[in-house]
Amino acid sequence: DQQVKQNSPSLSVQEGRISILNCDYTNSMFDYFLWYKKYPAEGPTFLISISSIKDKNEDGRFTVFLNKSAKHLSLHIVPSQPGDSAVYFCAASAGGGSQGNLIFGKGTKLSVKP
Amino acid sequence: ETGVTQTPRHLVMGMTNKKSLKCEQHLGHNAMYWYKQSAKKPLELMFVYNFKEQTENNSVPSRFSPECPNSSHLFLHLHTLQPEDSALYLCASSSDPANYGYTFGSGTRLTVV
Repeated sequence: DQQVKQNSPSLSVQEGRISILNCDYTNSMFDYFLWYKKYPAEGPTFLISISSIKDKNEDGRFTVFLNKSAKHLSLHIVPSQPGDSAVYFCAASAGGGSQGNLIFGKGTKLSVKP
Repeated sequence: ETGVTQTPRHLVMGMTNKKSLKCEQHLGHNAMYWYKQSAKKPLELMFVYNFKEQTENNSVPSRFSPECPNSSHLFLHLHTLQPEDSALYLCASSSDPANYGYTFGSGTRLTVV
């Protein structure tokens, strides 16, 4: 049973517009959520995170929103750039510190068209 | 370069071979991980080491054998693998994954023939 679900395997967006990547989770014990970005032939790189005590975290063009009641989070990228084209993984953790092993979703492939 | 180095980048092995994957980090992280990424599947956690001690084995078959001689090095020993074990094997390290995430290596693309 998947605890972290990314139901859209792919998303295509025009350059300059907003990209919205969605993620749902089932485990109510998750209290930290992270987004990773992966280019082909490279490992995933950490992008942005949010704690369950917040409902929004912003870093430049990237904003993550958390809706705990719906067990849903989303990553907004605005404006989208062609260099943002990659696979985006949502991950969740139950517990901080070194014990917080991450559970990943399947990923969503974002394509930003010039 | 992320600070986590995996070798080799690509590996083709027969089902009767024995090979090892290597991971090295000098980031001062105390936790190291092996993940498996298969096509159209989530990243699957295989093993976790904290301060050289294995803290998690996620029901991984015994044909995969991890080794962590120190906090900077992690190995995955492979023997008598199956074609379905072909995947991208990712190593990661962290000190506080919830707040700072993992630092991943580039992975080893394994093909079992």
